[in-house]
Amino acid sequence: DQQVKQNSPSLSVQEGRISILNCDYTNSMFDYFLWYKKYPAEGPTFLISISSIKDKNEDGRFTVFLNKSAKHLSLHIVPSQPGDSAVYFCAASADSGGYQKVTFGIGTKLQVIP
Amino acid sequence: DGGITQSPKYLFRKEGQNVTLSCEQNLNHDAMYWYRQDPGQGLRLIYYSQIVNDFQKGDIAEGYSVSREKKESFPLTVTSAQKNPTAFYLCASGRTGLNTEAFFGQGTRLTVV
Repeated sequence: DQQVKQNSPSLSVQEGRISILNCDYTNSMFDYFLWYKKYPAEGPTFLISISSIKDKNEDGRFTVFLNKSAKHLSLHIVPSQPGDSAVYFCAASADSGGYQKVTFGIGTKLQVIP
Repeated sequence: DGGITQSPKYLFRKEGQNVTLSCEQNLNHDAMYWYRQDPGQGLRLIYYSQIVNDFQKGDIAEGYSVSREKKESFPLTVTSAQKNPTAFYLCASGRTGLNTEAFFGQGTRLTVV
């Protein structure tokens, strides 16, 4: 049972346009959400996060939107650049007795075409 | 410079042999984690440790063992009891508590033949 779902395995976008990566979750106990970026044969790197008390968090070209009622979040990259081509993991966390238990989605592979 | 180091990057072992993957961090993080990534799947938690000399099983701990004798080090042993050991293994560290991000190493690709 996948609690964090990234239903699009891949996405292609032209350089300069907006990339929108989507993520759905089922566990209402999740209260903190993160996006990680991963290049091949490397570990993921943290990109941006959002707490459940917010509906938007912005960091430069990256914005994460959270719709709690729909249990949906999205990552917007504007403008997209070729260096953004990577796999993006959505992750959600819940308090598990003081420990942050994180559940990852399967990732979406973004290709930005020059 | 600070970071988290996994070694080796590629590892080959014969079936039935135990193998230990190294993970070292100099970020002064209390929490450390081991994840496994398989094709078409997200990262799955094997073990985690929130403090020295203490660790807990994650979602897929069977066939694995860990130790946390030093704050900086969290080695993972893949035992012969692990039925499908071939995978990409990721170590991470982070601050304890809630609403924090993890810092990942480069990963070790283990192939068991």
